Amino acid sequence: AQSVTQLDSQVPVFEEAPVELRCNYSSSVSVYLFWYVQYPNQGLQLLLKYLSGSTLVESINGFEAEFNKSQTSFHLRKPSVHISDTAEYFCAVSEPGGYNKLIFGAGTRLAVHP
Amino acid sequence: KAGVTQTPRYLIKTRGQQVTLSCSPISGHRSVSWYQQTPGQGLQFLFEYFSETQRNKGNFPGRFSGRQFSNSRSEMNVSTLELGDSALYLCASSSRPNEQFFGPGTRLTVL
Repeated sequence: AQSVTQLDSQVPVFEEAPVELRCNYSSSVSVYLFWYVQYPNQGLQLLLKYLSGSTLVESINGFEAEFNKSQTSFHLRKPSVHISDTAEYFCAVSEPGGYNKLIFGAGTRLAVHP
Repeated sequence: KAGVTQTPRYLIKTRGQQVTLSCSPISGHRSVSWYQQTPGQGLQFLFEYFSETQRNKGNFPGRFSGRQFSNSRSEMNVSTLELGDSALYLCASSSRPNEQFFGPGTRLTVL
């Protein structure tokens, strides 16, 4: 069975500092990997995804994540965060052939302070 | 294009009652998935419908059911509500695999 572990439940950081949100997964088969962001009182928004190809994927708002198969990780990074990045971030996996079923991690609350 | 809409946004019910939540997908999207989000269990997959057929199901009791109509709109129903069913219920629609768009959710409170 697949599972996702987000190693930090909360990450406080100062504005303009770099941040890394950690995600590890467990699966006996190949997986697709996703990062979603949830702002207060809103649904989830897809930040970026890894399906195949280059192991480094980027989002339009400066986040990037690297798929590391040997370490079964998909950590999310941003070199310089803004106050507006304050939100909850979820790592998720799906299995090829599993249609749209996503298995989510518990989430990491990113709090950016001025 | 309008996004995924969910109605109602907030709902209060009492134990033992039943509830129906509605989801209207993005126009042209034929897949609708439902998720339950709680502080204790996090985000959990309930089921997915595609062209009016359930093609994937999570590990929830039979009290949770759903359906999809010919216009791709979907409803989920929870019967005999329990306190633990209090949650944010999220709906997501998709026109292709691995690209889901989520609605704002329906917050259900069971008293």
